[in-house]
Amino acid sequence: AQSVTQLGSHVSVSEGALVLLRCNYSSSVPPYLFWYVQYPNQGLQLLLKYTSAATLVKGINGFEAEFKKSETSFHLTKPSAHMSDAAEYFCAVTSDSSASKIIFGSGTRLSIRP
Amino acid sequence: GAGVSQSPRYKVAKRGQDVALRCDPISGHVSLFWYQQALGQGPEFLTYFQNEAQLDKSGLPSDRFFAERPEGSVSTLKIQRTQQEDSAVYLCASSLTWSSYEQYFGPGTRLTVT
Repeated sequence: AQSVTQLGSHVSVSEGALVLLRCNYSSSVPPYLFWYVQYPNQGLQLLLKYTSAATLVKGINGFEAEFKKSETSFHLTKPSAHMSDAAEYFCAVTSDSSASKIIFGSGTRLSIRP
Repeated sequence: GAGVSQSPRYKVAKRGQDVALRCDPISGHVSLFWYQQALGQGPEFLTYFQNEAQLDKSGLPSDRFFAERPEGSVSTLKIQRTQQEDSAVYLCASSLTWSSYEQYFGPGTRLTVT
């Protein structure tokens, strides 16, 4: 069964520093992969998605992610962190059994130090 | 434009009470999803509708949980005889077509069972 593992439940970086949030997945079929962001008391917002086109995917707010099949990874990066990036980030993968079902990781809380 | 809305935003129920949670998807969106998000966890799939048809309810944790979307727009998630383990945020999402992987999430309903 497919699953998503997010390494690090909490990541803290300084403002202006590189953001790297790690995600590894397992899937028996070529997956579609997603990163969502959740701000306090708000719903999830799609940051970016990989749907078997370009392996480097650019999203909103300066974020990007690279699909690496050999490493079964889909890490999220941003070159320079901003205070407004502080939020919870979720990596997700489509289900093997149902393309409409999305499996989420447990999330990584990103904190930004001034 | 109007996004996905959910009501109520907060619900406190005594153990054993029945609750009904409402989701208004984006107008014209064919697919509607319900997720349960426990504290500190990622959302977990509960059920999925395509128009009024409930195509997947494999994530509903027990027969106390019931969802409907009778006219293919508004959906209601009902929980009978609530238990403390039902305390969570219940998220609703919609997508434009059955094949669209971009889901738009509502702000959620936080259910606390006392």
